Amino acid sequence: ETGVTQTPRHLVMGMTNKKSLKCEQHLGHNAMYWYKQSAKKPLELMFVYSLEERVENNSVPSRFSPECPNSSHLFLHLHTLQPEDSALYLCASSQEAISGGAETQYFGPGTRLLVL
Amino acid sequence: AQKVTQAQTEISVVEKEDVTLDCVYETRDTTYYLFWYKQPPSGELVFLIRRNSFDEQNEISGRYSWNFQKSTSSFNFTITASQVVDSAVYFCALSEATTGANSKLTFGKGITLSVRP
Repeated sequence: ETGVTQTPRHLVMGMTNKKSLKCEQHLGHNAMYWYKQSAKKPLELMFVYSLEERVENNSVPSRFSPECPNSSHLFLHLHTLQPEDSALYLCASSQEAISGGAETQYFGPGTRLLVL
Repeated sequence: AQKVTQAQTEISVVEKEDVTLDCVYETRDTTYYLFWYKQPPSGELVFLIRRNSFDEQNEISGRYSWNFQKSTSSFNFTITASQVVDSAVYFCALSEATTGANSKLTFGKGITLSVRP
């Protein structure tokens, strides 16, 4: 596997289900991100993990729960979602320098989620 | 606050035509970074280019070229001799330089490019 992978690629779930999205990066990066892409809206940053610690949470509802067990893996746990949460969820990774800058984020193929 | 505007929403061209995708940005920082990504129907965002605010040289990569103009806060992307495989949504993005260990990308709404045979 190369780059950033995401599973599953497609997911249909009911509002009472619990599911998890998985992201794995094979680039040796130290930062990982979750984005939400809804139709007709710009990409929205949800969570940022740097060196396995959450450094950003953009006012995301608690029904979305991220987990970063190590620098290569990132999960997004979903529970009691709403139909408006249906979207493409994209994972990205980057190699951030402590001195700052803005390194390139590399994206996975996304999980297309439909909440019924 | 930073902002990226991609005023064009949809562009349709015939194969072999040249096409320019516009991007205008706003930021208060003097140090920042600009990006273009391509999103084909499969969904993955494919990185195309990263440019920092101190490098105003235009970039050419095959059929792709980028024109960075700080005076007009624009970072436009031109595809020469377009091909059907260029059909995708193209995003321009801006990131301010951070002193921490993460970069925050602000994306435009994207431009849907359709190239017809």
